[in-house]
Amino acid sequence: NAGVTQTPKFQVLKTGQSMTLQCAQDMNHEYMSWYRQDPGMGLRLIHYSVGAGITDQGEVPNGYNVSRSTTEDFPLRLLSAAPSQTSVYFCASSYGEGYTFGSGTRLTVV
Amino acid sequence: AQSVAQPEDQVNVAEGNPLTVKCTYSVSGNPYLFWYVQYPNRGLQFLLKYITGDNLVKGSYGFEAEFNKSQTSFHLKKPSALVSDSALYFCAVTSYDKVIFGPGTSLSVIP
Repeated sequence: NAGVTQTPKFQVLKTGQSMTLQCAQDMNHEYMSWYRQDPGMGLRLIHYSVGAGITDQGEVPNGYNVSRSTTEDFPLRLLSAAPSQTSVYFCASSYGEGYTFGSGTRLTVV
Repeated sequence: AQSVAQPEDQVNVAEGNPLTVKCTYSVSGNPYLFWYVQYPNRGLQFLLKYITGDNLVKGSYGFEAEFNKSQTSFHLKKPSALVSDSALYFCAVTSYDKVIFGPGTSLSVIP
């Protein structure tokens, strides 16, 4: 039972590049979400999903896309990276009463 | 607007002393309340939750939290702090389909 797995752990992108952050969970949780963590701002919700085929925007969705084709996977796509997207990204899944977090992806956009 | 506040960016406490990390919230309905801890370069780890029932909930590592509905607060407490408790603590509240996190409080336990 691996919990929530995020890849990669570290990534450096150039401005304008695109990439996908992967997130997979093996707990059969319906609810999954993506957060970014920035100093002094806590965790801000980017996108979330309440089940396969269903996604919705969170607090800071601009510049990011998600899809949920399976219960297990919830990838986050950066369409055209910008320096403002330099952050630590966390994926989380939930059974309704608590979250399990991945270990994070540290992204730097130069 | 729905929000979670942690009024202290930093809390310093001497080892062996009791600690309190404060959290207040503003959400509609009857939310679920959580505390998470984050150690350096790690993801968040679940500490405890309040769903319903007894206002004092006990969690991992000797932590507990007291729910106060009238004050809309959910303060995290521990009777005797350890140096290993030094970390970043986040309060979180569910609101319908979303979980709202507070900005975090950095706890430093001084030997």
